Amino acid sequence: DAGVIQSPRHEVTEMGQEVTLRCKPISGHNSLFWYRQTMMRGLELLIYFNNNVPIDDSGMPEDRFSAKMPNASFSTLKIQPSEPRDSAVYFCASSPGTSGRVEDTQYFGPGTRLTVL
Amino acid sequence: DAKTTQPPSMDCAEGRAANLPCNHSTISGNEYVYWYRQIHSQGPQYIIHGLKNNETNEMASLIITEDRKSSTLILPHATLRDTAVYYCIVKNYGQNFVFGPGTRLSVLP
Repeated sequence: DAGVIQSPRHEVTEMGQEVTLRCKPISGHNSLFWYRQTMMRGLELLIYFNNNVPIDDSGMPEDRFSAKMPNASFSTLKIQPSEPRDSAVYFCASSPGTSGRVEDTQYFGPGTRLTVL
Repeated sequence: DAKTTQPPSMDCAEGRAANLPCNHSTISGNEYVYWYRQIHSQGPQYIIHGLKNNETNEMASLIITEDRKSSTLILPHATLRDTAVYYCIVKNYGQNFVFGPGTRLSVLP
């Protein structure tokens, strides 16, 4: 079975450019999560979706960040405009159930390493 | 407001059991103990979780004390590929995962 798929695996861009990260969750999973990992702040939850609906975006750092989930098999995280401090590894994860159910375990993708020059 | 405390680093000899401790003295009755690990440059990987009883799967065993204030993740025969950062997370169903700094386990040849 394919796990969570993320693309691109590496992205290098210049400050001010738009960046779009993509995620395909595990088929049949109902929840999707976007995380960011840096040396300074560790692994942080940015936003999560249940059944394609954004539930909690309190972790999104600022308006430059936006996330969408147009269908059950695809999500994007967009940064516009990008800044050097956005450099990090961005992970997508999915879980089988909606919140409060037994199937709460999250399965992570390989991540996208973003470098903003 | 970290819910868990883990040692920052540990070493283990290859082939020996790795015992990773976690303190969670403020755990509530409905909160589960989860363990994840992150091998360098990869995404976090689910290992195991439990509520009260000890749990075992193909990767590891989880031993939870009777008062549930601490737990130990056991890798029975550590290999070099088990070198990773191990995260102990306490959460209720429906709560978000909060990853702390974890324990950096080095398996030595």
